[in-house]
Amino acid sequence: EVQVVESGGDLVQPGGSLRLSCAASGFTLSTYHMGWVRQAPGKGLEWVSAIGSSGNTYYPDSVKGRFTISRDISKNTLYLQMNSLRAEDTAVYYCVRCSPNFGCKNPEHWGQGTLATVSS
Amino acid sequence: DVVMTQSPLSLPVSLGQPASISCRSSQSLVHSGGATFLSWWQQRPGQSPRRLIYQVSNRDSGVPDRFGGSGSGTDFTLSITRVEAEDVGVYYCMQGSHAPHTFGQGTKLEIK
Repeated sequence: EVQVVESGGDLVQPGGSLRLSCAASGFTLSTYHMGWVRQAPGKGLEWVSAIGSSGNTYYPDSVKGRFTISRDISKNTLYLQMNSLRAEDTAVYYCVRCSPNFGCKNPEHWGQGTLATVSS
Repeated sequence: DVVMTQSPLSLPVSLGQPASISCRSSQSLVHSGGATFLSWWQQRPGQSPRRLIYQVSNRDSGVPDRFGGSGSGTDFTLSITRVEAEDVGVYYCMQGSHAPHTFGQGTKLEIK
C-alpha cells in the first residue's frame, strides 16, 4: 500500500527554520516526482516545491531561496528545509507523490499533512 | 501564472440531487504534448485532498461513478449525478499544464 507520512511541523518564531520529513512506504521514492503543497488555515492550496526523479527541483517565487527540497534514498524519505520563515508560511504542509508518467502535472497521492506555525 | 476560477464557491445541494462545479482557466490547458492536465480534488472535513478525476475526465480507482469530469481548453466541469452525504467537503480543480501548477479557490459543497 502506498503511504506517505509527514512529520516535523512545529511552532517556530519568525526568521527561524524548520525541517519537514515525508517517509514513503509501498514505493521507491527516488523513482517518482515528489512535491510539497501547503494550505494556510482556512485557505486554498499552493505548491511550494517539487523534485523530479532525476533530481531537478522547482520552487515558486514565494519560497525561492528560503526553502530547499531534498531526499534521502537510503531512508526513502523526502525533506523540506524551510529557512527565514515568515508568518505567512504558517500552513499545513502536505507531501505529494506524483504520477509515474507525467510527474507533478498529475499529482496522485497526498499524506495527512503536518502543521507548521510561524509566530512570536 | 495560470489563474483557475471556480464557481460557485458555495454549493448547497439536497440529497439525491445533481450538482456541478465550473472551473475556468486564464489560458488554454492543452499541453504542448497534446494532453490536458486538469484534475479535480475532494477534501472532506479534516482530511487531506483526494484525487477524483485526472486529465479532465478520467475517474480514479475507487471513485464512485456518480462523479464525472468534462470540458476542454479553458472550461471544465465536475458533475455529480446524485449527491450523497459523504460528498460534503471542498472541491478543487488543479492545472498541471503550465508551471507553476495552480489550484482553484475551492467550492464548498454542503447538504441543504
